[in-house]
Amino acid sequence: GNSVTQMEGPVTLSEEAFLTINCTYTATGYPSLFWYVQYPGEGLQLLLKATKADDKGSNKGFEATYRKETTSFHLEKGSVQVSDSAVYFCALSDRSADGLTFGKGTHLIIQP
Amino acid sequence: EAGVTQFPSHSVIEKGQTVTLRCDPISGHDNLYWYRRVMGKEIKFLLHFVKESKQDESGMPNNRFLAERTGGTYSTLKVQPAELEDSGVYFCASSQVGGSRTGELFFGEGSRLTVL
Repeated sequence: GNSVTQMEGPVTLSEEAFLTINCTYTATGYPSLFWYVQYPGEGLQLLLKATKADDKGSNKGFEATYRKETTSFHLEKGSVQVSDSAVYFCALSDRSADGLTFGKGTHLIIQP
Repeated sequence: EAGVTQFPSHSVIEKGQTVTLRCDPISGHDNLYWYRRVMGKEIKFLLHFVKESKQDESGMPNNRFLAERTGGTYSTLKVQPAELEDSGVYFCASSQVGGSRTGELFFGEGSRLTVL
């Protein structure tokens, strides 16, 4: 079956540091890949997505590139802010299943 | 426009009791999903409604869980009788067309269930 593996936290960084959150996946088909973010007290929100190999999703300064050869979709941001503190979930969808398959989530803490 | 709302935000019950969680999707969203996150685990898909019909309920753990969507509007998820392993956060999400295929799901804040 499908699965998503991502680094677990918490990940603590200083403001303006470079961020990478690793995500790798296993899927039977050709999945679409997503990063969701959950800010404190809110529901999950779609942050960015990529639907085919070599696509790059980007939003709010975050980027992730769909790498089929390494089955990865790592999330990066060049300079994080305190407001980026949240839980980040990597997820995939493909035709073999109806719902999204999520990773365990990475709790990111940005210190001033 | 109101987002996806869930009630209650937190419920504490004893083993063997019944709990009903409610989800109000975004108006006009035909697709409604239930997910669950058990402590330290992934968020797991439970089921998917299209309007009032169950499209896929392959993720429902067992027959102690019953989901309904009256008239294709709000949905309820009943757990009866609750067991300790049912503790976790239950998320509801809704979408227009596409749903999981596009990933553009709108999630509620979740209902935290604690079974003692």
